[in-house]
Amino acid sequence: QKEVEQDPGPLSVPEGAIVSLNCTYSNSAFQYFMWYRQYSRKGPELLMYTYSSGNKEDGRFTAQVDKSSKYISLFIRDSQPSDSATYLCAMSPGTASKLTFGTGTRLQVTL
Amino acid sequence: ETGVTQSPTHLIKTRGQQVTLRCSSQSGHNTVSWYQQALGQGPQFIFQYYREEENGRGNFPPRFSGLQFPNYSSELNVNALELDDSALYLCASSPGLALITSTDTQYFGPGTRLTVL
Repeated sequence: QKEVEQDPGPLSVPEGAIVSLNCTYSNSAFQYFMWYRQYSRKGPELLMYTYSSGNKEDGRFTAQVDKSSKYISLFIRDSQPSDSATYLCAMSPGTASKLTFGTGTRLQVTL
Repeated sequence: ETGVTQSPTHLIKTRGQQVTLRCSSQSGHNTVSWYQQALGQGPQFIFQYYREEENGRGNFPPRFSGLQFPNYSSELNVNALELDDSALYLCASSPGLALITSTDTQYFGPGTRLTVL
C-alpha cells in the first residue's frame, strides 16, 4: 500500500465548476501538506501549503487538512480552462523539501 | 519561471550505460533535492544535498549518486542504467532546508526526460 493515495482521474469538468481534489495518507507523522500543479512538460509548481489540520484559502483555491481522517482536499472555485493540468498532493513529517507525493490527478476544464 | 534550470532536456541511453544530469539552482539556494517521476506517477524523492553534503536519501540504490557544487549547481549520476530508470528527473532547490518552521519552500526545474533503451 502506498503512503499517499490519489485518484489519477482524468477528471473533466465544465468551465466555472467547483473542483474537488483529494488525497488520503497512512503515515500519521505527516504534518506538512502541499498541493502542486504540473503542466505538461513542466516541473511541479507550488499552489498551496498547510501545516497540520485546518483550512487555508488563496484566491480561487482552498486547501483543507483533516488529520483525524488522514484526508486532504484542494478545492478550485470558478474553474478555468487554464486550470487544466495534473494536480499533485505532497506531504512530509517535518520538512517541505523531502516530500512524498501522490500519483497526481489529471484535470481537464472544458469550455 | 522558478529560476531553476536543468540540462539536457531530453536524453536517450542504452541499458548498462552511465548518465549525468545537471541542475542549476537560484543563487543563494543551499539545498537541492532530486526526484524521479515515472510516467503517470508522482515524483519520488531520490536524495537531498545541503551545502554540498548529502542530507537524506530515499529508497534508491547506490548506483544513484549526486554532487552539489559551491556555485549552486548540482549533478545526478546514474550508473548501470536499467529500463526502469526511464523517467522525468526533477531537481528542486530552496534557500534552506524548508523546515516547517520557516516559510521558504522549494522550486522545481522543468526536468530532464531520460529514456533507457
